[in-house]
Amino acid sequence: DGGITQSPKYLFRKEGQNVTLSCEQNLNHDAMYWYRQDPGQGLRLIYYSQIVNDFQKGDIAEGYSVSREKKESFPLTVTSAQKNPTAFYLCASSPFGGEGEQYFGPGTRLTVT
Amino acid sequence: KNEVEQSPQNLTAQEGEFITINCSYSVGISALHWLQQHPGGGIVSLFMLSSGKKKHGRLIATINIQEKHSSLHITASHPRDSAVYICAVIGIYGGSQGNLIFGKGTKLSVKP
Repeated sequence: DGGITQSPKYLFRKEGQNVTLSCEQNLNHDAMYWYRQDPGQGLRLIYYSQIVNDFQKGDIAEGYSVSREKKESFPLTVTSAQKNPTAFYLCASSPFGGEGEQYFGPGTRLTVT
Repeated sequence: KNEVEQSPQNLTAQEGEFITINCSYSVGISALHWLQQHPGGGIVSLFMLSSGKKKHGRLIATINIQEKHSSLHITASHPRDSAVYICAVIGIYGGSQGNLIFGKGTKLSVKP
């Protein structure tokens, strides 16, 4: 089945540790995105990538890093520099960059204590 | 002011009722999405539209580009429709060009 997978669904970390969230897609989509969702707020764009080996900062990139070494994979690292890392993180992909429909993964809920 | 505003924020309905969720936006757009997020967190795309009206089963989405307004209607609502409905637009100017700008969502609860 084609789709987007994110793992794990729940992730717990101690403050000060870096953590990497996985996002894989087998839809052959060029573009991939990372969003953050906080209670009472709309999704906010962290990073996006239109093609392999290229990515751009979104609205809230500080404290995060990404890589796009393969078309299928777009991992997000939440670094210790991110002041409020506890949130729900959603990955998405799109076949045509920003102009097409986006397909979302199931999300990872990160809790940092 | 948020670029994408949804109303109402919360909506409770009885099974069978006709439901309308509204979305207004203040930026130039190339298209608008309606998304559904279930309690588990996963998001499903319901519609992408840039003009007129689209229908899928009991769901209808309309958009008025001149008025910068879209509505999502659910006919004969059912408890399984309970979810958060999110409006998102694809901006065509500035830093958000080509990327989705999201509303905060409307939480719908349909009682049996």
